[in-house]
Amino acid sequence: DVKVTQSSRYLVKRTGEKVFLECVQDMDHENMFWYRQDPGLGLRLIYFSYDVKMKEKGDIPEGYSVSREKKERFSLILESASTNQTSMYLCASSSLRQVGAPQHFGDGTRLSIL
Amino acid sequence: RKEVEQDPGPFNVPEGATVAFNCTYSNSASQSFFWYRQDCRKEPKLLMSVYSSGNEDGRFTAQLNRASQYISLLIRDSKLSDSATYLCVVNLASGGSYIPTFGRGTSLIVHP
Repeated sequence: DVKVTQSSRYLVKRTGEKVFLECVQDMDHENMFWYRQDPGLGLRLIYFSYDVKMKEKGDIPEGYSVSREKKERFSLILESASTNQTSMYLCASSSLRQVGAPQHFGDGTRLSIL
Repeated sequence: RKEVEQDPGPFNVPEGATVAFNCTYSNSASQSFFWYRQDCRKEPKLLMSVYSSGNEDGRFTAQLNRASQYISLLIRDSKLSDSATYLCVVNLASGGSYIPTFGRGTSLIVHP
């Protein structure tokens, strides 16, 4: 069974801090994704990666960066956290080898920026 | 225009009812399609993939209509435990991979 693990379920940080959200998957998936989910707005793609050291911007990359140094790990970085980045953050992974492969999600991180 | 559109609902139905959701997508080059279920304050979980010929999994039936660019989900004999938000996902090829696009979800409430 696919396991996608996010480092924290709940996180509270202060405005201006640099915040790291970590995600690890154990299925050797090529694709990894970071989303945020807000009430009424659904899931919005921040960044994704389809290979080590590769990254692509999603719909809302501003204020975020990512790192993929190893295949199993995809990190989301908030360079200087702001209150409008308070949200639920979801990491997902999927296989590039299977046509039409679905995504598997981590439990999510509820991030509050004070 | 949103790329993937769903009626947000809520759909409020009694136990045992049959309920159907539709999801429309704008890009005709979309390649693969899924329904996910998301419970309150939880992560989305795959409910079923949607195939061109239609597919069924127990009480759930998914259909794809490429000509009209929509997918549907039919739930028969609704259970209280079916109460959740149902997300439609469409994958579009992009470079060497694909981009999944989510609808905003349809809320289902099944009451006794």
